[in-house]
Amino acid sequence: DAKTTQPPSMDCAEGRAANLPCNHSTISGNEYVYWYRQIHSQGPQYIIHGLKNNETNEMASLIITEDRKSSTLILPHATLRDTAVYYCIVSQAGGTSYGKLTFGQGTILTVHP
Amino acid sequence: ETGVTQTPRHLVMGMTNKKSLKCEQHLGHNAMYWYKQSAKKPLELMFVYNFKEQTENNSVPSRFSPECPNSSHLFLHLHTLQPEDSALYLCASSQDAGGGEKLFFGSGTQLSVL
Repeated sequence: DAKTTQPPSMDCAEGRAANLPCNHSTISGNEYVYWYRQIHSQGPQYIIHGLKNNETNEMASLIITEDRKSSTLILPHATLRDTAVYYCIVSQAGGTSYGKLTFGQGTILTVHP
Repeated sequence: ETGVTQTPRHLVMGMTNKKSLKCEQHLGHNAMYWYKQSAKKPLELMFVYNFKEQTENNSVPSRFSPECPNSSHLFLHLHTLQPEDSALYLCASSQDAGGGEKLFFGSGTQLSVL
């Protein structure tokens, strides 16, 4: 699976949009971009994933550049409960790659009042 | 609530003890996983089960023994562990074909080996 690069930490004011970047310059054509987050002392939580089109769900939006070498996770109105470690993961979907997510160090997002 | 329940939430054991971690999922998924998260380290995949069959063993020492009696239950049997095995052990599940990597994680068992 392709490797990802994320900033180690970011801050965001409550109520503002949090934009978390991720670089995945070696991504291949059949690899998806997944985002998970882990709140302290809990298991990771799936947020969103995409292949090449931008995606939006009730939690966040995912913007993938046209060349697919980078992406941004957007939390439109961050709350204190969004403080967590955010993981950007690139992986093939299905086939023999079930669950073979390679978690890096992620980005520690701290939302301030 | 993710639909994946792990027990116990916390476990302290000696190096000569035998204990088991339990995971149960109520999502109708067919794949289940064990991950390990040591302090200040990324999550590491340990085992993968798909339709009760083990499909992945990520070079895990034999003192960790998984068991998957059915698609809803997963166990991790522990014996003669070392202090460096102290970590958060996470169970996850996912749908089978077409599910991709949308994993649902439990809250984990925080294990301390003395």
